[in-house]
Formats: sequence, structure tokens, C-alpha cells
Amino acid sequence: AQSVTQLDSQVPVFEEAPVELRCNYSSSVSVYLFWYVQYPNQGLQLLLKYLSGSTLVKGINGFEAEFNKSQTSFHLRKPSVHISDTAEYFCAVSIGGATNKLIFGTGTLLAVQP
Amino acid sequence: EAGVVQSPRYKIIEKKQPVAFWCNPISGHNTLYWYRQNLGQGPELLIRYENEEAVDDSQLPKDRFSAERLKGVDSTLKIQPAELGDSAVYLCASSLDQWFDAGLAGGIYNEQFFGPGTRLTVL
Repeated sequence: AQSVTQLDSQVPVFEEAPVELRCNYSSSVSVYLFWYVQYPNQGLQLLLKYLSGSTLVKGINGFEAEFNKSQTSFHLRKPSVHISDTAEYFCAVSIGGATNKLIFGTGTLLAVQP
Repeated sequence: EAGVVQSPRYKIIEKKQPVAFWCNPISGHNTLYWYRQNLGQGPELLIRYENEEAVDDSQLPKDRFSAERLKGVDSTLKIQPAELGDSAVYLCASSLDQWFDAGLAGGIYNEQFFGPGTRLTVL
């Protein structure tokens, strides 16, 4: 079975500072990896995804993530955050195939302070 | 293009009462998902539809939960009777079609688009 671990439930950071949100996964088979963002009272929005190819993936809003197979990680980074980046961020995995089942982590609240 | 629409956005009921949630997916999307998101947790899949057929309902508590997707478009999720532990946000998502392995030539990833959710409070 697949699982996702987001160890940081909350990450406070000052505006314009860099940030990294950590995600580790567990799976006995190859997986596809995703980061979603959830703004207050809204649904989830896909930030970026790793399916194959380059391990450095760029997404929307200046975010990027790097797939590290040996460390089973998919950490999300942004070099300079804005107040508007304050939201809940979820890492997710899927084994793909004929289904589109996503397994989500527990989420990390990114709290950007002025 | 309109996104996934859900109603109501908020619902407060007393335990043992019935409740229903409605979802209208993005036009043309064949696959529809219902997720439950408990406070402080990530979403968990309850049921997945391919057109009218429920192809994965293994996580749906069938003693009190039911769902339907008539005509392969709108869907309704029902709880009867509701329990205190059912308090959560119920998310609906849709995708164009089922996913194909990205490793295959011409593989396609069909992104899931989420609605804003229905926040249920059971008193």
C-alpha cells in the first residue's frame, strides 16, 4: 500500500523568504507524485506533478518540487513567498494505471507573515 | 469554463438526521469522485464513478452512506442517519476520463478538478 507523510503540520515564514515543505512517501511500486494547494473555503488546486522524466518539476505560482527516488521524497520549494501563498498544501501519490486514485498526506499549513 | 459545483456549501444537522450533498461536475467529465476530508487531514476517497457506474466504492460506509450518479452527470451523496463522526468536508472532483499509465507511449494524465466542498457539522 502507498502512504504519504508530511511531518510539518505548520510552517511559519516571513514574506519574501524561501520555503520548503517536506513530503515523503512509501510504496513498493513506482508512483506518481503531486502537490495540491487548498485556500480557505476552497477546493484543492493542482500545483504540480511528477509523472516521469526530469526530477525537477516546475508548477504554478513559482513553486517547484524535486523527486528523489533514493530518499523517497518530493519536497516543495519556493524561493520567495508572498502573503497570498498562505494556504494548506497537500502532497499526494498515485500508482496510476487504470485508476486515478490519489492518496493524500495530512497537509502542511504555510503561514506567511509580513 | 465553469468548475465543479457543489451544494450546499454548509450544512448543520442533528445526529440521526439524513443529509444529502449534490455535485455537478465539469461538462464532459466522465469520471466523478467523492472525498471526505476530516479536520486536519487530507481528503480520502469514498467513491469513484465512471459515467453512471460506481467502479470503486470500497471506502464508502455502506450501512449509512449511499451515492448515485444518474445519467452520468450530476451526483448525490447521502448519509442516513448521520453520526457525530460524520462531521467533515465532503469534496467532489471530476476528471475527463480515467488515467492511463504515463509510462506508455501517448499516456495521458487526467487531472482531477475539485469543487469547493460541503462542510457538514453534526450536532
